[in-house]
Amino acid sequence: KAGVTQTPRYLIKTRGQQVTLSCSPISGHRSVSWYQQTPGQGLQFLFEYFSETQRNKGNFPGRFSGRQFSNSRSEMNVSTLELGDSALYLCASSLQGRAEAFFGQGTRLTVV
Amino acid sequence: QQPVQSPQAVILREGEDAVINCSSSKALYSVHWYRQKHGEAPVFLMILLKGGEQKGHDKISASFNEKKQQSSLYLTASQLSYSGTYFCGTEMLPNAGGTSYGKLTFGQGTILTVHP
Repeated sequence: KAGVTQTPRYLIKTRGQQVTLSCSPISGHRSVSWYQQTPGQGLQFLFEYFSETQRNKGNFPGRFSGRQFSNSRSEMNVSTLELGDSALYLCASSLQGRAEAFFGQGTRLTVV
Repeated sequence: QQPVQSPQAVILREGEDAVINCSSSKALYSVHWYRQKHGEAPVFLMILLKGGEQKGHDKISASFNEKKQQSSLYLTASQLSYSGTYFCGTEMLPNAGGTSYGKLTFGQGTILTVHP
C-alpha cells in the first residue's frame, strides 16, 4: 500500500510570492491534516479536511489556505510569502481523522 | 494547550531502557506517539484512546492514564535504531460546538540518543 505522497519535496520561493503544496493520502483515507514544523515552534496544526470540507483550523493567518478534492487529494496554498514561512510542511492522512495518522515526507519550503 | 514532554533529552547505551512522559492540562480523547529521525517525516508508533489502555509491539509500549491525562512511552532494551526525536500528539475531547477531528497538538519532543 502506497504511503502519503507530498510534492514537491523542496521549494525555494521569494518573499511576496505564493506557493501551492500537494498531498496525496493513503488510498481509502478521507482525512488530511496539514502541519508546519519549525525548529522554534515545533509541529503546529494548520487545518484538516474530510470529504472536501474543512473541519478544523489552527491559529494561522488567512494567507494559509487549503482545499481537498473528491479523490481526497489535498492542496495547501500560502500567499504573500514571508521569511518566517520557511518550514517543513507535513501532511498526515487518516481514515476519518480520529485514528492513526500517517505523515508524508513533507515539503521543505525556503523563502528568500 | 501544548502537552508537556519529559525529559527533553535522553542518552542511553544499547540495551538500556527509557521512559518518555507526555502530560496534558486538557481532557484527552487520544494520544499518538511518533518518532522522527533527522531530515525525515514523523513515523507513527501507536495510538492510545480514552479508556486508559496500554499498547505495545516489539520492545516499545505505551500507557494512557486518563485520570492524570498523562501518557508514557516505554522503550526497553534500546537499539541504535531507536535514536530520534519522540513526539506525543494529543487529541482533545471536543468542546461544545467545536471539533477536534484530525487535529493533533504536539509536545516539544524528546531527543533520544542510543550509543553502542
